[in-house]
Amino acid sequence: ELKVEQNPLFLSMQEGKNYTIYCNYSTTSDRLYWYRQDPGKSLESLFVLLSNGAVKQEGRLMASLDTKARLSTLHITAAVHDLSATYFCAVGTGNQFYFGTGTSLTVIP
Amino acid sequence: DTEVTQTPKHLVMGMTNKKSLKCEQHMGHRAMYWYKQKAKKPPELMFVYSYEKLSINESVPSRFSPECPNSSLLNLHLHALQPEDSALYLCASSQETGWAREQYFGPGTRLTVT
Repeated sequence: ELKVEQNPLFLSMQEGKNYTIYCNYSTTSDRLYWYRQDPGKSLESLFVLLSNGAVKQEGRLMASLDTKARLSTLHITAAVHDLSATYFCAVGTGNQFYFGTGTSLTVIP
Repeated sequence: DTEVTQTPKHLVMGMTNKKSLKCEQHMGHRAMYWYKQKAKKPPELMFVYSYEKLSINESVPSRFSPECPNSSLLNLHLHALQPEDSALYLCASSQETGWAREQYFGPGTRLTVT
């Protein structure tokens, strides 16, 4: 079974700071997704990464994928309070779709 | 239309009740999913329908009964649930060609079993 690990599980960061969330997975994957979830809400798709070296950016978030290292990163630049949420990576391979453990991000003034 | 809708938004039911959750999408997707999510945990896959046929059942108790009446609609029938079944139930859909494709999630139904 494919394992997907995220770290850190919890992240408290000050506004204006930068930080990176890591997503490691245990076997070859076809594609990698990042989702955001606000408390009590559904999952919002952030990024779809389809190939080695893929990099996507939206506002203060940038995601990258290294399929050889089986690693994806979600980099946060100059954090703002609105980014406070839980972030999940999800790995798709063949007929399976696995979610990471999630990273709960709190941005404090 | 890139939306997956779910009804109801909230549901409170007793352990002897029978209720149903409904999910609808009009994106022409041929794969649909039910997930269960407990607080501060990732979603757990329950069922997968592909071309209106059940293709994956992740050892879900029989008190949960899925149904896919047509390609746009997915139901989850609930009967004799337990308090530990209280959770957020998410529906998702994806394109037909292999279900490692991106999944689009509905807003969820918050279920409380009393």
